Order: sequence, then structure tokens, then C-alpha cells
Amino acid sequence: KNEVEQSPQNLTAQEGEFITINCSYSVGISALHWLQQHPGGGIVSLFMLSSGKKKHGRLIATINIQEKHSSLHITASHPRDSAVYICAVATDKLIFGTGTRLQVFP
Amino acid sequence: DAGITQSPRYKITETGRQVTLMCHQTWSHSYMFWYRQDLGHGLRLIYYSAAADITDKGEVPDGYVVSRSKTENFPLTLESATRSQTSVYFCASQPGDTEAFFGQGTRLTVV
Repeated sequence: KNEVEQSPQNLTAQEGEFITINCSYSVGISALHWLQQHPGGGIVSLFMLSSGKKKHGRLIATINIQEKHSSLHITASHPRDSAVYICAVATDKLIFGTGTRLQVFP
Repeated sequence: DAGITQSPRYKITETGRQVTLMCHQTWSHSYMFWYRQDLGHGLRLIYYSAAADITDKGEVPDGYVVSRSKTENFPLTLESATRSQTSVYFCASQPGDTEAFFGQGTRLTVV
């Protein structure tokens, strides 16, 4: 079993929809990262959080340390949000999930 | 330009050849990392460095060598490339226990 599991693996949405991507982990962590990777592109850090909730524009990330679970929400989704979203947990190193591929259609 | 840059962006090499992937960061971040990204796997750590002249193995170090003589540079060398090392390689840096900054990636094909 992977130490970091993301769901769903693939997600399609219509523009404007509210999107949730989930991340569960099985190890003790000091922090959790959400990353974004556009096709053929580099990787960009969206959030790093160790408790509670963070918001940046239309993106919201939450974490429940007791349940070992985090969610990334996108409000009012847009085609430019189409990307792979990666969850990574920080132990003595970063352990990555395999990513969620999101496609948002106009 | 400020940031973290990898070179080359694309490389094709033959089995058995030595190839070096370069990574340069302008922030003087302490930590630097090399990852490989393959279909069906998350990013996997190859090597990392906590400071100049300090390097440690990650999850998949076999066949790779790193050095860090200067804080800003962290080259990754494939001593004798194999087809299984065909992958996309990402370099990253972190100042400490904060967000990581990634390079644009190097797509390496070993034929």
C-alpha cells in the first residue's frame, strides 16, 4: 500500500464547477504540500500546511492531522486549472502521491 | 534570472554513456533534491543534499552520482546510462522546512 494515496486519479469537470481532490497518508508528517503540474511543464508549489486551512484565490487546502487526510478544493473551476495536482507529505523527506489529473472543459 | 534552472531540458543518449544533468538555484537554499518522475509512480527521490559537500541517498540512488561543491549547484550524473533511466528528472530546492521550488524538468531518453 502506498504511503500517500490520492483520489480520484482522473477528474473531468465543466467550467464553473466546484472540485475536490483528496489525499490520505499513513505516516507521521511534519507538513503536507499540494503541487500543480501543467502538461509538459514544471511543478509549482500551491500550498504547504501542517494544520487547519489555507486559501489562495480560488484554491483552498485543508488538513486533518488526526484523520491523516487533506483536501484541495477549487472553486469556480476554469479550463486553465487543467493540470495534474500532486500531494506530498513531509517526513524526513517528501513522499509523493501519484497525482490527480484534472481536465476542466469550457 | 532568479529561480531554479535545469539543463538540458531534453537529452537523448545511448546506453552506456555518461550523462550529467545540471541544476542551478539562485537563492542559496540549503536543501537540494533530485527526483525522477515515471508513469504510474509518484516523484521518487534519487539523492538530496542538506548543504554544500553533504549528500545522501534517496529512494532510488542506484546508477546515479551527485556532488555539491557549491551551494547553488547540484549536478546529477548517470555514470553508465541504461534504458530504465529514461525518465523526467526534476531538481528542487528548499530553504528549510518550507515550500519546495522545482525546476522545469529534464526529459532524458536512453536509447
